[in-house]
Amino acid sequence: GIQVEQSPPDLILQEGANSTLRCNFSDSVNNLQWFHQNPWGQLINLFYIPSGTKQNGRLSATTVATERYSLLYISSSQTTDSGVYFCALDTGRRALTFGSGTRLQVQP
Amino acid sequence: DGGITQSPKYLFRKEGQNVTLSCEQNLNHDAMYWYRQDPGQGLRLIYYSQIVNDFQKGDIAEGYSVSREKKESFPLTVTSAQKNPTAFYLCASHRTDYGYTFGSGTRLTVV
Repeated sequence: GIQVEQSPPDLILQEGANSTLRCNFSDSVNNLQWFHQNPWGQLINLFYIPSGTKQNGRLSATTVATERYSLLYISSSQTTDSGVYFCALDTGRRALTFGSGTRLQVQP
Repeated sequence: DGGITQSPKYLFRKEGQNVTLSCEQNLNHDAMYWYRQDPGQGLRLIYYSQIVNDFQKGDIAEGYSVSREKKESFPLTVTSAQKNPTAFYLCASHRTDYGYTFGSGTRLTVV
């Protein structure tokens, strides 16, 4: 099956810093999403981005499908950005396969 | 507001019991999904359903069962055959042009 690798596994930032999270995948995709899981377990949909670039406030994402990777940028990080960020892909079986996540801790 | 409602938020199961987790959506999405998350891990697919009265096994279906009698509802039963059911369970629905939306989850603990 498809392999989804996220890096780094853990990240500690000072408030105000910028960061880039990476997602590499092993197969062509129909759908790629980035999620933020908050400390209560809720998964929040950040981006639906099978290709191209999107921005939403301090967050942006880029997917280069031909090179099989996606990047999530967080600028001017805040303590509320803490949590786990997941990349998830649908390669055609019409269900998402998740990476193992990046744990982000933003310190004040 | 449209969304996905999972209940209960917390569930305790005795050894040998079957328990059923509820998932209801009012988004009018055709497809629905169940995922399991263990501590510090990503999500793994249990079952999914693209249309009413049809569903497919995911990667870890053993010990679980589902039904899809209505478009809005996709309940998951954790049977006594599931030897390690303690986990966080998440339900999702999908629309092609929007992506996947998740419920707030059910934490199941075996006591």
